Amino acid sequence: AQTVTQSQPEMSVQEAETVTLSCTYDTSESNYYLFWYKQPPSRQMILVIRQEAYKQQNATENRFSVNFQKAAKSFSLKISDSQLGDTAMYFCAFYSGGSNYKLTFGKGTLLTVNP
Amino acid sequence: KAGVTQTPRYLIKTRGQQVTLSCSPISGHRSVSWYQQTPGQGLQFLFEYFSETQRNKGNFPGRFSGRQFSNSRSEMNVSTLELGDSALYLCASSLAGTGGYNEQYFGPGTRLTVT
Repeated sequence: AQTVTQSQPEMSVQEAETVTLSCTYDTSESNYYLFWYKQPPSRQMILVIRQEAYKQQNATENRFSVNFQKAAKSFSLKISDSQLGDTAMYFCAFYSGGSNYKLTFGKGTLLTVNP
Repeated sequence: KAGVTQTPRYLIKTRGQQVTLSCSPISGHRSVSWYQQTPGQGLQFLFEYFSETQRNKGNFPGRFSGRQFSNSRSEMNVSTLELGDSALYLCASSLAGTGGYNEQYFGPGTRLTVT
């Protein structure tokens, strides 16, 4: 069974600064996908960024980028130029490339961006 | 396109009662997944349906059940409600199919309170 661990329950950052959220996972599979989801106080879960395990290049989406270390089973999210709207709960999630059709989530990191 | 809709948005029930929650996926999406979100356990996978077939089920008691209709709309039912069933129930839809990954789009959730 896969597990996803987010060791930082809460973090804060000043507006315009950079912050990194950590995530580690455990799996015996070689084909899988990793994600960061954002859940703002309004509760709608939104996909921030995804990474396919077979890709060595780290994914980037505007101000969001990941550091994917497959051997270490580490998948951190870097948010550059933090904005007040980035305040949210961030979840790291794992999806098997096999056929179990489910996302396994970490417990989440509450990120607060301060003005 | 309209997003994933869930009804009702809020629900208050008494222990021992049963409840039915509804999820309408994005048009064209054939897969619907359900997740339970609580402060203590985080996000946990309940089940996934594709073309009216349950393809996977999470580790929940038999009181939790679901189904999917031919128009891809899905319902989940919880019988004999317990206080611990109080949670935010999230539905997600995707194009799905077999293998690979299709992005899951989440609905706003149904907040269930059991008293």
